[in-house]
Amino acid sequence: DGGITQSPKYLFRKEGQNVTLSCEQNLNHDAMYWYRQDPGQGLRLIYYSQIVNDFQKGDIAEGYSVSREKKESFPLTVTSAQKNPTAFYLCASSFQAGQETQYFGPGTRLLVL
Amino acid sequence: QKEVEQNSGPLSVPEGAIASLNCTYSDRGSQSFFWYRQYSGKSPELIMFIYSNGDKEDGRFTAQLNKASQYVSLLIRDSQPSDSATYLCAVYTGNQFYFGTGTSLTVIP
Repeated sequence: DGGITQSPKYLFRKEGQNVTLSCEQNLNHDAMYWYRQDPGQGLRLIYYSQIVNDFQKGDIAEGYSVSREKKESFPLTVTSAQKNPTAFYLCASSFQAGQETQYFGPGTRLLVL
Repeated sequence: QKEVEQNSGPLSVPEGAIASLNCTYSDRGSQSFFWYRQYSGKSPELIMFIYSNGDKEDGRFTAQLNKASQYVSLLIRDSQPSDSATYLCAVYTGNQFYFGTGTSLTVIP
């Protein structure tokens, strides 16, 4: 099956802890994205990557970090500097950053203990 | 100024009616326009995309784009209870996708 997978489905973070959200795609897409969705809000872009070993900050990158060592993988780390991390995190990918459509993974819900 | 604006609703229509969802955007240079459906607790799924002025039809869905007025709309004909969801409008501008906050649609049996 081709698609985008995210894990875990639920993640609990303790104060001061860094946590990493996984995103993998087997669609051979070049571009990958991380969004955050808060209740009643639209999607806000955290980071995106158009090519391996390159990524750019989105509108709300503070407190987050990413890597893109493989085309298929784009993990997101929520650092302890992110003071309000509780949200629904969505990973997406597309063939190119541009007219090509974005497809979303199932999401990870992050909760703070 | 928000890049993409949608009426948050909720919008309620009876089963079998036409549901009309609207979206406006601020950047005249926007290139591509998308409609996603999002069920509660789930990730967005693509319904349609449109690049050119005019209408684009796919089954019960029609997307309409008017670049001069900077709006894009989605019509859902013969609405079904399974269409009850939040509909997100997305616009590609520059090198980013911008999303509206979504319109909540309820189809009443």
